[in-house]
Amino acid sequence: AQSVTQLGSHVSVSEGALVLLRCNYSSSVPPYLFWYVQYPNQGLQLLLKYTTGATLVKGINGFEAEFKKSETSFHLTKPSAHMSDAAEYFCAVSDNGAAGNKLTFGGGTRVLVKP
Amino acid sequence: NAGVTQTPKFRVLKTGQSMTLLCAQDMNHEYMYWYRQDPGMGLRLIHYSVGEGTTAKGEVPDGYNVSRLKKQNFLLGLESAAPSQTSVYFCASSYEREYTGELFFGEGSRLTVL
Repeated sequence: AQSVTQLGSHVSVSEGALVLLRCNYSSSVPPYLFWYVQYPNQGLQLLLKYTTGATLVKGINGFEAEFKKSETSFHLTKPSAHMSDAAEYFCAVSDNGAAGNKLTFGGGTRVLVKP
Repeated sequence: NAGVTQTPKFRVLKTGQSMTLLCAQDMNHEYMYWYRQDPGMGLRLIHYSVGEGTTAKGEVPDGYNVSRLKKQNFLLGLESAAPSQTSVYFCASSYEREYTGELFFGEGSRLTVL
């Protein structure tokens, strides 16, 4: 069975500061990993994903994440926070394309950006 | 440019009442999903479908039923609502032939059971 743990349900950063959201996973197969973002009163949208190949992946809005197999981690970073980054972020692991393409999500981290 | 559309967006039920949430997608996706979102628990999969006429149980299926009579629609039913089913429900779809892992989500349906 797969699982995802996000450390910290709330993170507060100052505008212009580094954003770091932590994600650790467990998976019995080589994982496909994802970060989704949810803005208030909206559905989730994909930020970035890791499937195979380069372990540092870049996504939309200046975010990037690094897959570290030895640490079973997929932490999300952005060098300089913007007010528009205030949202909830979800890390997810997939069943590797097995029937259903099902995702298992972490509990989410809500980001507050202070001016 | 609709994508995934959920109706209704808000609903209040009394314990024991029934209701159906409708999800419609216009992207010709094979796979569709129903998730529920609760604070601190992320999204949990209720049921999913890998094609018209097929459904399967997810992580938390008890108390829910689903149907996929048409490829574009995925219905989630509550036969006898309970307060524990108060949640925000999200429908999603994905394209199966080229696996990307990306799910496309609707805007959610907020259900309160009194």
